[in-house]
This record gives sequence, C-alpha cells and structure tokens, in this order.
Amino acid sequence: TQLLEQSPQFLSIQEGENLTVYCNSSSVFSSLQWYRQEPGEGPVLLVTVVTGGEVKKLKRLTFQFGDARKDSSLHITAAQPGDTGLYLCAGDSSGAGSYQLTFGKGTKLSVIP
Amino acid sequence: DVKVTQSSRYLVKRTGEKVFLECVQDMDHENMFWYRQDPGLGLRLIYFSYDVKMKEKGDIPEGYSVSREKKERFSLILESASTNQTSMYLCASSPLDLQETQYFGPGTRLLVL
Repeated sequence: TQLLEQSPQFLSIQEGENLTVYCNSSSVFSSLQWYRQEPGEGPVLLVTVVTGGEVKKLKRLTFQFGDARKDSSLHITAAQPGDTGLYLCAGDSSGAGSYQLTFGKGTKLSVIP
Repeated sequence: DVKVTQSSRYLVKRTGEKVFLECVQDMDHENMFWYRQDPGLGLRLIYFSYDVKMKEKGDIPEGYSVSREKKERFSLILESASTNQTSMYLCASSPLDLQETQYFGPGTRLLVL
C-alpha cells in the first residue's frame, strides 16, 4: 500500500499569515493532486502537478512537486478565512493509466479573522 | 463544469435496512468511484467502475455492492446496514484521458441507528 503522509494534521493561524503544508511519501508518483474540502461538502480539485520540480500558482496558493516526485507542498500567502478547510493531497503511484488514487489524511486549516 | 450529484445529502437508516446511494455525473466520464470518509482514516476506496457493468473492489468492499447499468450512474448498495457503516460517502468520476483527475460529488452523510 502506497502511503501519503500529510503534515501538519491541524493548523490554526491568524488572517494574513503565511503557511505551508506538506505531503510526503517514500513512493514515486506520476502525478499528484491537491484538493480542498469544506465541512459537509465533497473535495474540490485545486491543481494537478505532473513534472518533478514543477511549481504552479493559483492566486495566493503555490504548489510544488518535489524533484523526485515523492513529495509536494502547498504554500498559502496572506491566508484568508475563506481558505479554511481540509486540504488533501492524492497521488497516482501505479503509473500512467491507473484508475486509483492514494489519498493523504489531510491538513485541517482554520484561518481566524 | 463537471457536475457530480448524489441523491441525498443526509440519510438516517436503521440497522438491517437495505440502503441505496445514487451518484450521477454529466460529463460522460468512463470511471466512477465510491469512497467513505471517516475522521482519522481519510478517504477509503470502496468500489470503482471503469465501464458500464464493470466493477472492481477497492480497499474496503465488505458489506457493500455496486451497480453500473448506465455510464452516467453508479449506485452503492448497503445490503444490510450496520452502525459501523455510519460515515460520509463520496462519489467521484474521472475521464479516460485524465484518469488521475477525480471530480467529487457533495457527499452523503449516512447515519445508521
């Protein structure tokens, strides 16, 4: 079983602060996805990273895929209360064409106004 | 936009009842998935389907069955509901050419008494 470890598990910060959450594995992933899930809702896809070392930006969110494609990070600049939610990473570890994703357990972020 | 809908947002059932959870996607995706999400355990794959009438067991299929009679619809069946099946159930779909990109429905929160 391929595992994705997310850290920290919980994070509570003040509005305006910066933060980074991590997604790590000993396995190589052909792609990695980040989702945000609000309470009582399904996860919503934020980004997919495919190439080792790739950096993608989505407004105040910056996603990076590790050079060895075993890890990823999500950095949020000047966090807003609307960023509150559960951040999940998910990876395709069994090669291109796989149906299945491995999910991390998530980082629960609270941004306090 | 991809739309995945689930038949109920909240369900309350009694132990031993047969429970049907319906999921419909409108983007002609080949792949569909059923997960359950529990605190501390993350998302766990129950079943998935890569074509009409095709199904594959995920990590935790015991106590569940599925049906995919039409491409857009994937049903999860709890033959005899038990209290340990109280959970958030999430349906997802993905296209054949971007299988790592899964789109989720809003979830069904099931309580079995």
